[in-house]
Amino acid sequence: DGGITQSPKYLFRKEGQNVTLSCEQNLNHDAMYWYRQDPGQGLRLIYYSQIVNDFQKGDIAEGYSVSREKKESFPLTVTSAQKNPTAFYLCASSIKDPSNSPLHFGNGTRLTVT
Amino acid sequence: EDKVVQSPLSLVVHEGDTVTLNCSYEVTNFRSLLWYKQEKKAPTFLFMLTSSGIEKKSGRLSSILDKKELFSILNITATQTGDSAVYLCAVEAGGGSNYKLTFGKGTLLTVNP
Repeated sequence: DGGITQSPKYLFRKEGQNVTLSCEQNLNHDAMYWYRQDPGQGLRLIYYSQIVNDFQKGDIAEGYSVSREKKESFPLTVTSAQKNPTAFYLCASSIKDPSNSPLHFGNGTRLTVT
Repeated sequence: EDKVVQSPLSLVVHEGDTVTLNCSYEVTNFRSLLWYKQEKKAPTFLFMLTSSGIEKKSGRLSSILDKKELFSILNITATQTGDSAVYLCAVEAGGGSNYKLTFGKGTLLTVNP
């Protein structure tokens, strides 16, 4: 079955540590996205990538980094510079132009930093 | 900055009621508006709207877009407890190869038996 896999489902880290969230898709989609969801805030775009080896900052990129070395994979690193990292993180993918295809989402990773 | 506003933020109804969820937007270079349903984890796609006045329908759910007044509504008739979820509206905007989706905060719908 094609889809997007995010791992792990739950992640706990101590403040000051970097942590990397995994996102893999086998849908052959060109574009991939990372969103953060906080209660009452909806989804906010962190980073997106429309093609391998290229990515752009979203609305709240500070304290995060990404890479896109392979079409299937778009890992997100939450660095110690991110002031409020505890949140629910959603990865998504689409055919390059979302006007022709909606986003497909993974099941998310819930990150708790203490 | 692109903006998407959903209302109400939360709504409680009884099974069988009809609900209307609203989504208004202010974006540069509108391309499409999408509705998603989020129950616990991954949002699932409901509708994509690009043209004004054309209703999209799927069972008890329907949606329409007004590009002149910059809003969309999502209607759910004969609600069931399984319709309880957060409903997200997202607008795609941008030019050329530079486009992105901006999401609203969502409407939390609770359908009581």
